[in-house]
This record gives sequence, structure tokens and C-alpha cells, in this order.
Amino acid sequence: DAGVIQSPRHEVTEMGQEVTLRCKPISGHNSLFWYRQTMMRGLELLIYFNNNVPIDDSGMPEDRFSAKMPNASFSTLKIQPSEPRDSAVYFCASSLPSHPYGYTFGSGTRLTVV
Amino acid sequence: QKEVEQNSGPLSVPEGAIASLNCTYSDRGSQSFFWYRQYSGKSPELIMFIYSNGDKEDGRFTAQLNKASQYVSLLIRDSQPSDSATYLCAGRSQFYFGTGTSLTVIP
Repeated sequence: DAGVIQSPRHEVTEMGQEVTLRCKPISGHNSLFWYRQTMMRGLELLIYFNNNVPIDDSGMPEDRFSAKMPNASFSTLKIQPSEPRDSAVYFCASSLPSHPYGYTFGSGTRLTVV
Repeated sequence: QKEVEQNSGPLSVPEGAIASLNCTYSDRGSQSFFWYRQYSGKSPELIMFIYSNGDKEDGRFTAQLNKASQYVSLLIRDSQPSDSATYLCAGRSQFYFGTGTSLTVIP
């Protein structure tokens, strides 16, 4: 299995531009999570999906952020318009539905907004 | 209030020593916890989970859950330079992670 696949690995964009991050979960995993990691705030959950349905988006910082999961093998996190304070590493993770399974993280996307 | 908190340090230990990492939690009803390891520039990877009071051992790693005092610990025996990383704890939901403890094992 190729694991959780994220693209792009690095993204540099100008303030005000739209940014789209992509994630392909592990086949058979029906839960998908988007996290953001910064030095100041650590690893924060933004949103998670079960069976392609968004369950909790309370971690999404503001309306500029949106996430979709149109099918079991693909999810996107979009930021529009982007701001310098959005600069962070964004991780996607997936898991099987029941404990004791932990989460498998993708390699992350390092976003820099200038 | 955060589900879990890690307030300790960066931690440095000599090679071969025992490294002890701690995490406190707020929900007295919590019964399961996860430890992740994150190398610099990499993603977190699951190394241990624990569900019951007491100890769980896996090779050089031991996770300890103390419900009375509401903390969970990770002990690394015979620490190796390759153990140098940031260690994150998470509660059952794994929605909330501690800020992590950076461990450096000095050869």
C-alpha cells in the first residue's frame, strides 16, 4: 500500500491567491482527517470525514477554509483567499473506523504564503 | 481545556539511558491514549497505544497510564540516537494532540 498520498509537497503562493491541497487516503480507510501544524500551535485538527461526510469542521479557522470529499479516495482542502498566517504544514490522515487503530498520516504539504 | 497536554521540555539523554516523556489529560473518563513519533520534517507515526491502567510494553518502549493521577507516560529504554524526535501524545479521539516533547539522544 502506498499510504496516504498528499500533493503538492510544497506550495509557495502569494497572499490573496487560492490554494488547493489534495489527499488520497489508504484504500479501505473510511475516516479522513485534515490537520495543520505550526511551531506555535502544534498539531491542530481542522476537519474530519466519515464515509465521505464531514462530521466536525469546528477546527476550520474561518470561512476562507473549505474541505470536500467527493468520493472515498479523494479529498481537498481549499484556502481562498490565502494569507501569510496560513503558512504551515498541512497533514492529511486516514484510519479504519474503529479503535484501537491509530491514524496514518500523509507526508504533508508545506504551505508558504508570501 | 485541551484533551491532553505536554508541558515538559526539550529533553536530552545520553545514549543507553532511559528517556521518560509525560502527558497529562483532563477527562477523568478517558481510557485510551496514543503516542506518536515525529522526526524533523516528517509526518507523525504511531508507535504505541494504551487502553488500560498500568503498563504496556513493546520492545524498548513502555507506555504507562495512571488514571488516579491522570497522566500517561512513555518510557524509552536503552535510548538510541535514532530515537531523537518529537513525541506527541493524543487522547482516544486523536482529534487533539499535545504540543510534543522534543527528545535528543546524545551519542
